[in-house]
Amino acid sequence: RKEVEQDPGPFNVPEGATVAFNCTYSNSASQSFFWYRQDCRKEPKLLMSVYSSGNEDGRFTAQLNRASQYISLLIRDSKLSDSATYLCVVRYSGAGSYQLTFGKGTKLSVIP
Amino acid sequence: DAGVIQSPRHEVTEMGQEVTLRCKPISGHNSLFWYRQTMMRGLELLIYFNNNVPIDDSGMPEDRFSAKMPNASFSTLKIQPSEPRDSAVYFCASIMGGVKGSNQPQHFGDGTRLSIL
Repeated sequence: RKEVEQDPGPFNVPEGATVAFNCTYSNSASQSFFWYRQDCRKEPKLLMSVYSSGNEDGRFTAQLNRASQYISLLIRDSKLSDSATYLCVVRYSGAGSYQLTFGKGTKLSVIP
Repeated sequence: DAGVIQSPRHEVTEMGQEVTLRCKPISGHNSLFWYRQTMMRGLELLIYFNNNVPIDDSGMPEDRFSAKMPNASFSTLKIQPSEPRDSAVYFCASIMGGVKGSNQPQHFGDGTRLSIL
């Protein structure tokens, strides 16, 4: 079983729509959580960290449910420029605490 | 500020040849990571260094892969001999962090697109 699982999509949504991505992780010792964004043929870039209390950055809202080992990302008022692959990322505590484990990503296409 | 710099951007070579990928981390960052990304497996950590020392190489697929970090500003990932299944995008990333780990984001280079024919 993969440690970080995401629905690969693609999610095809019209401009202005609200879209939500989900992610589950298998290691309960997970310490930190992130959403990265990767544009086609580009490198991954940090979109936002995910905090236990949930956090918002403009049109983006991230939620964490440690009991269910579940992370979500909500995008409101989708823009064409939001089209990308969104990677759920988990960092585990322990000796190798630098290690990030990436989900395979959810592809979003925002359609005019 | 310069980001993580990788070279070459693209590499096409025949199977059996040696391939060397290069990475210059962000100045002042003391941890460096090599990843491989494919459609099938997503982004996988191959190896990471802290203060130029390899900490975990459990992700290196086999003995054909080797990585070095001779100093704080340079690392190489070498594949010898290369095989078609090594075709992927290889990313290098760096971070500034202490021994206990860091919540800072990893900064990725543009990647090297490797095709083994």
